[in-house]
Amino acid sequence: EADIYQTPRYLVIGTGKKITLECSQTMGHDKMYWYQQDPGMELHLIHYSYGVNSTEKGDLSSESTVSRIRTEHFPLTLESARPSHTSQYLCATSPSGNTIYFGEGSWLTVV
Amino acid sequence: GQQVMQIPQYQHVQEGEDFTTYCNSSTTLSNIQWYKQRPGGHPVFLIQLVKSGEVKKQKRLTFQFGEAKKNSSLHITATQTTDVGTYFCAGPGMDSSYKLIFGSGTRLLVRP
Repeated sequence: EADIYQTPRYLVIGTGKKITLECSQTMGHDKMYWYQQDPGMELHLIHYSYGVNSTEKGDLSSESTVSRIRTEHFPLTLESARPSHTSQYLCATSPSGNTIYFGEGSWLTVV
Repeated sequence: GQQVMQIPQYQHVQEGEDFTTYCNSSTTLSNIQWYKQRPGGHPVFLIQLVKSGEVKKQKRLTFQFGEAKKNSSLHITATQTTDVGTYFCAGPGMDSSYKLIFGSGTRLLVRP
């Protein structure tokens, strides 16, 4: 298992609020990812990064943004949360771009 | 676009029965990986297959990579309640090998 820390683990916020989901890793992995997953459903890649100052949008359109100023930190921000953003957000890292290690996830509910 | 499909979507078995999930890619893959996600948990890496026709075993789990490197299977012998979860296959994206494209997953339920 990899050392990936996601905060908050659970969050309920109101519509229109700004929220940042934090993700930190201690392994020095260059590749980091954000996946969105509804309960029991598929994993959708929404953002990824190859390294510092590198970010790309994934296959699923998302209104969120990310930044990668430091290797160990890859936060995801929603400027204005909507009920449709209710989901689980999984941060992941990879040393090589192959095997991926996931954090425990952040469960977001927008009311 | 590139797609990775899995069947079945759900499988409900009696403890002790065998279980198989199949993964099919629309494109040839350089490798394929399998992950397990327990209910309420996060996906955990199980194994990676690289060679055409490769077969790997982990205790009661047998993984196979097809000759054409477009399909794979996971077979569990004599399921146990601890096998409950969703099993995902995943392969590198066509446009970037650093992107992992996950299959739709197979949810396994085991009756004790």
